[in-house]
Amino acid sequence: AQSVAQPEDQVNVAEGNPLTVKCTYSVSGNPYLFWYVQYPNRGLQFLLKYITGDNLVKGSYGFEAEFNKSQTSFHLKKPSALVSDSALYFCAVREPLTGGFKTIFGAGTRLFVKA
Amino acid sequence: DGGITQSPKYLFRKEGQNVTLSCEQNLNHDAMYWYRQDPGQGLRLIYYSQIVNDFQKGDIAEGYSVSREKKESFPLTVTSAQKNPTAFYLCASSSGLAENNEQFFGPGTRLTVL
Repeated sequence: AQSVAQPEDQVNVAEGNPLTVKCTYSVSGNPYLFWYVQYPNRGLQFLLKYITGDNLVKGSYGFEAEFNKSQTSFHLKKPSALVSDSALYFCAVREPLTGGFKTIFGAGTRLFVKA
Repeated sequence: DGGITQSPKYLFRKEGQNVTLSCEQNLNHDAMYWYRQDPGQGLRLIYYSQIVNDFQKGDIAEGYSVSREKKESFPLTVTSAQKNPTAFYLCASSSGLAENNEQFFGPGTRLTVL
């Protein structure tokens, strides 16, 4: 079965500094990888996805993620963090099921950006 | 939260009662999903539906039921058989079950059993 791991429960960064939220995955075939963000008491919002092609994927709000096949990682990055980036971030992988695919979510990483 | 609405935002239930959570979408999406979110556990899939009048159990379907009589609607009933129903429930939709389809989420319903 496919799985995704987010090794850090929490990441702290100062405003203006670069941020990285880590994600590693385990798949039996080609990976389809996603990042979502959740603000307090809200649903998840899609940030970006990797399906195929360029290893560096750009998404919403200045976020990007780098797909690294040899390290089976898909880390989320942003060059300069904002206080408003503070939220819960989920990495996800698509797993085949009958007739389609389902999404497996990591446990989430809480990002705190301090002013 | 896109074109997905969930109601109510907060719901309180006494033990032994069934409750129904509403989910409506105006995105014309075929696929809809229900997830349960507990602290530190990510999201777990309860039920999903690929098309009207069809739905499938997810990883934690016991104690829950759904219907999909209309494309726009996918209500979730939490029955008295669900042993630990207090959680945050999220509804989502996507244009299909293809591998490259991201999901769109509603704002969630927080259910508390008293």
